[in-house]
Amino acid sequence: EDQVTQSPEALRLQEGESSSLNCSYTVSGLRGLFWYRQDPGKGPEFLFTLYSAGEEKEKERLKATLTKKESFLHITAPKPEDSATYLCAVQALGSSASKIIFGSGTRLSIRP
Amino acid sequence: DAGVTQSPTHLIKTRGQQVTLRCSPKSGHDTVSWYQQALGQGPQFIFQYYEEEERQRGNFPDRFSGHQFPNYSSELNVNALLLGDSALYLCASSLGGGQVNIQYFGAGTRLSVL
Repeated sequence: EDQVTQSPEALRLQEGESSSLNCSYTVSGLRGLFWYRQDPGKGPEFLFTLYSAGEEKEKERLKATLTKKESFLHITAPKPEDSATYLCAVQALGSSASKIIFGSGTRLSIRP
Repeated sequence: DAGVTQSPTHLIKTRGQQVTLRCSPKSGHDTVSWYQQALGQGPQFIFQYYEEEERQRGNFPDRFSGHQFPNYSSELNVNALLLGDSALYLCASSLGGGQVNIQYFGAGTRLSVL
């Protein structure tokens, strides 16, 4: 069964303290891996799509990487406005449609 | 360019009632997916509509049904509401073609069942 596990569940950092969030996945074959950001009371906001192992993408202080079993979201010198829940999701090969399987997310809190 | 819009934003119902949630996709998108998100959890896939047909369905009972209109907007209907149906219901839109379909989400409808 396709599965996505994120760790840690919650992470508190000081402003400027860099860290990484982990997303482990089990799928029969990966079509794409997605990272979303979700603020309280809002819908997920798309950040990145990764397609194959070794791929990396960057946006401001965020950098996403992908291996055959996991993805990391690296956050460099975070600011309080980076506080949010970060969701990882996968789309498996063989899916006849765009079904996306989400992890439970990592709640990131950045203290000023 | 309007993004994905959902209505209403909040809804309170009692057990046994029925509810209809609405979604208008992002301009140019033809595919709508619905998700249920419980507090502290990731979104769970309910179903997806493309060309007015249900294309794929997650592990949700038949009490959950939907519809897509010719203008690509969509409705989610839930019958015989249970307390456990209380959640944030998210609509996402995408383009139906292509191998990887990036989904863009609305702000959601918060449903409370009393």
